[in-house]
Amino acid sequence: EAGVTQFPSHSVIEKGQTVTLRCDPISGHDNLYWYRRVMGKEIKFLLHFVKESKQDESGMPNNRFLAERTGGTYSTLKVQPAELEDSGVYFCASSEGGGAAYEQYFGPGTRLTVT
Amino acid sequence: RKEVEQDPGPFNVPEGATVAFNCTYSNSASQSFFWYRQDCRKEPKLLMSVYSSGNEDGRFTAQLNRASQYISLLIRDSKLSDSATYLCGGGNQFYFGTGTSLTVIP
Repeated sequence: EAGVTQFPSHSVIEKGQTVTLRCDPISGHDNLYWYRRVMGKEIKFLLHFVKESKQDESGMPNNRFLAERTGGTYSTLKVQPAELEDSGVYFCASSEGGGAAYEQYFGPGTRLTVT
Repeated sequence: RKEVEQDPGPFNVPEGATVAFNCTYSNSASQSFFWYRQDCRKEPKLLMSVYSSGNEDGRFTAQLNRASQYISLLIRDSKLSDSATYLCGGGNQFYFGTGTSLTVIP
């Protein structure tokens, strides 16, 4: 069974540019999560989709971040315009059930560098 | 106070040693916790779930202590391949600790 995949694996952009990250969850997993890890810090929750609906987006840092999951399959996370502090590793995870009671499976992450 | 906190280490132990990590959590209503293993520049991989009754998988034992609000991971007979960062995660939303670095030395 294929795991969670993310694209691209790395992205280097200049401040003010736009970047779109993609996540393909495990087939059949309705729940999809985005996380971010800034160097030296813990992995932080950004948001949670159940199918195409945003269940919880309390972790989104500001309105420069836009997440979508049209059709309830893959998800995109757009950062526009990117700032230096957006640099970090963006992980996507998926689970069969929703909420913290269910085991989440992580993708390999997208390493974003904003210069 | 952070939802989940853990000692970052590093822990350097000889092969064959037993090592234990703890995480504390602040929300007493939190129900579910997990231990993840993360190798350098890789994604976290689920290691095991943590139950009040304890959960054992080979050399690994996870425990949840609700009274003291901490979870633990015990690794027995450490192998070189156990070297990694171990993350605890859970809570009512999904929170992670910063990770505990383990290096097993030959």
